[in-house]
Amino acid sequence: KQEVTQIPAALSVPEGENLVLNCSFTDSAIYNLQWFRQDPGKGLTSLLLIQSSQREQTSGRLNASLDKSSGRSTLYIAASQPGDSATYLCAVLMDSSYKLIFGSGTRLLVRP
Amino acid sequence: DGGITQSPKYLFRKEGQNVTLSCEQNLNHDAMYWYRQDPGQGLRLIYYSQIVNDFQKGDIAEGYSVSREKKESFPLTVTSAQKNPTAFYLCASRGDIAGANSYNEQFFGPGTRLTVL
Repeated sequence: KQEVTQIPAALSVPEGENLVLNCSFTDSAIYNLQWFRQDPGKGLTSLLLIQSSQREQTSGRLNASLDKSSGRSTLYIAASQPGDSATYLCAVLMDSSYKLIFGSGTRLLVRP
Repeated sequence: DGGITQSPKYLFRKEGQNVTLSCEQNLNHDAMYWYRQDPGQGLRLIYYSQIVNDFQKGDIAEGYSVSREKKESFPLTVTSAQKNPTAFYLCASRGDIAGANSYNEQFFGPGTRLTVL
């Protein structure tokens, strides 16, 4: 059974810092991995999607990497801003189904 | 604008009452999903549908029912059999898994917060 883990559960950093969020999964037979952002009381916003054949994806200040063989993905946020404060979730889409398996998220606070 | 809409934003249910949450998408996606989110917990899959007139139970389907009569719509009914329905409900959709890269991406609606009185 696929399990997705996100570490740390919470993170507080001063504005301007570069930071890394971690996501690990136990079964490497994934179709893709997706990173989401969730603001309090809101739905999920898709940030980046990495296909299983890809190593990384970039969007603005965000860079996500994928190492399928070791079951790990990282989300790198450059020059963090208070507006980046939110919960970040990763999810893997299994080869064998249409279902996304979610981690429990990392709650990020960027202090002004 | 293409996207997923959910209504209502807030919903209050009395004990023993069935309520229906609406989810509509205009992305021409085949697959639609319902998730439940509780404070401090991750998302849990309730039901999903890969095609019109077909749907499957997720991990926590007891006390819920769905229908998929149209491609654009996937309503969720929370029945009186669901003993602890207070939660945040999220609807999502995705296109053909074997299609172009963009169709592999899953999109979410804004959510409905259900509270039992």
